[in-house]
Amino acid sequence: AQSVTQPDIHITVSEGASLELRCNYSYGATPYLFWYVQSPGQGLQLLLKYFSGDTLVQGIKGFEAEFKRSQSSFNLRKPSVHWSDAAEYFCAVGLSRGDKIIFGKGTRLHILP
Amino acid sequence: KAGVTQTPRYLIKTRGQQVTLSCSPISGHRSVSWYQQTPGQGLQFLFEYFSETQRNKGNFPGRFSGRQFSNSRSEMNVSTLELGDSALYLCASSQGQGKHNEQFFGPGTRLTVL
Repeated sequence: AQSVTQPDIHITVSEGASLELRCNYSYGATPYLFWYVQSPGQGLQLLLKYFSGDTLVQGIKGFEAEFKRSQSSFNLRKPSVHWSDAAEYFCAVGLSRGDKIIFGKGTRLHILP
Repeated sequence: KAGVTQTPRYLIKTRGQQVTLSCSPISGHRSVSWYQQTPGQGLQFLFEYFSETQRNKGNFPGRFSGRQFSNSRSEMNVSTLELGDSALYLCASSQGQGKHNEQFFGPGTRLTVL
């Protein structure tokens, strides 16, 4: 069965520092990959997605993610974080266009002033 | 376009009662998915409806059910509530087919079971 692993439950970075959130998936074929962000008390907002093509994907709010097939990873990056980036981030995988999406457990990002 | 709306936003029930949650998808979206979010289990997929038919189902007991109407609005019902059903219930809509199948989430319904 497919699965999504986000190894870091909490991550703390200083404002202005770079960020990388890890995501690994388990599946034989290339899945559809997503990163979502959830602010406290809110629903989830899509940051970016990968379906095919260029393995470096640009998203909203200055985020990007790189799909690495050999490592089964889809890590999220941002060169310089802002205090407003403090939130919970979810990696998700879908097997096909009509299939359900499986979410990782999430990584909570804390920003130090 | 208006986003995904969920009603009510907050709900308090007691054990044994039943509850119905509502979700209105983005106009033109035919797929509605439901998720349960708890601190311990994270986001868990409940089920997905597409054109009034349940297309995918997660691993939840039969107390959890849903339906979708011809206008794509969806309801989720939980019968015989248990304390462990306390959670944030999220609804997401998507076109449901084609290349762009990304999901758009509503703000959720916070259910507390006492």
